[in-house]
Amino acid sequence: QSALTQPPSASGSPGQSVTISCTGTSSDVGGYNYVSWYQQHPGKAPKLMIYEVSKRPSGVPDRFSGSKSGNTASLTVSGLQAEDEADYYCSSYAGSNNLVFGTGTKVTVL
Amino acid sequence: QLQLQESGPGLVKPSETLSLTCTVSGGSISSSSYYWGWIRQPPGKGLEWIGSIYYSGSTYYNPSLKSRVTISVDTSKNQFSLKLSSVTAADTAVYYCARHPYQLPTIDPWGQGTLVTVSS
Repeated sequence: QSALTQPPSASGSPGQSVTISCTGTSSDVGGYNYVSWYQQHPGKAPKLMIYEVSKRPSGVPDRFSGSKSGNTASLTVSGLQAEDEADYYCSSYAGSNNLVFGTGTKVTVL
Repeated sequence: QLQLQESGPGLVKPSETLSLTCTVSGGSISSSSYYWGWIRQPPGKGLEWIGSIYYSGSTYYNPSLKSRVTISVDTSKNQFSLKLSSVTAADTAVYYCARHPYQLPTIDPWGQGTLVTVSS
């Protein structure tokens, strides 16, 4: 199984929006509505931000939203804040009891 | 509040077996619907799912690591464990334990992670 493809970096000014893509295949992202997104600050464990493509766990601001079209999932962070600067990873069920992660995207708040 | 904590040696010699334990507190590892998994992250790199186990002992592993991985559970101690054999420098990583529903990448919560270095 191959890692899902994410852009290495993305950036935006405070208050702006940034969208991160996560591209897989019909065997993972495109085949199931089981895509999650994680935020990871340096030296910390990942934190679940979005699950099942577009659902937000309790406590996650509604500035974070997820979507999917075909084999590509996306995470949008609206109204960027300084604390949103972090690495973001997508993950998907990949069939046959496999889970696969994305390559990761570093978000910089300018 | 459910919490997970990894423990084990921080240094392992090449060709030996890496062994880690995850202790679950604030809830029972025998709760239905959830699997307990291991994920790792080499320094400066991305996340890789290693494998997961149900309290009954049912397991499933990343195909790329399957030949070297064994995950077990001890419900009496509310713990589950990872063994990775024949390690090399490429296995140097922060190892996380976590909980997730069967087959789903809805991983939450995570342990704080523990760095394991493979070096002689």
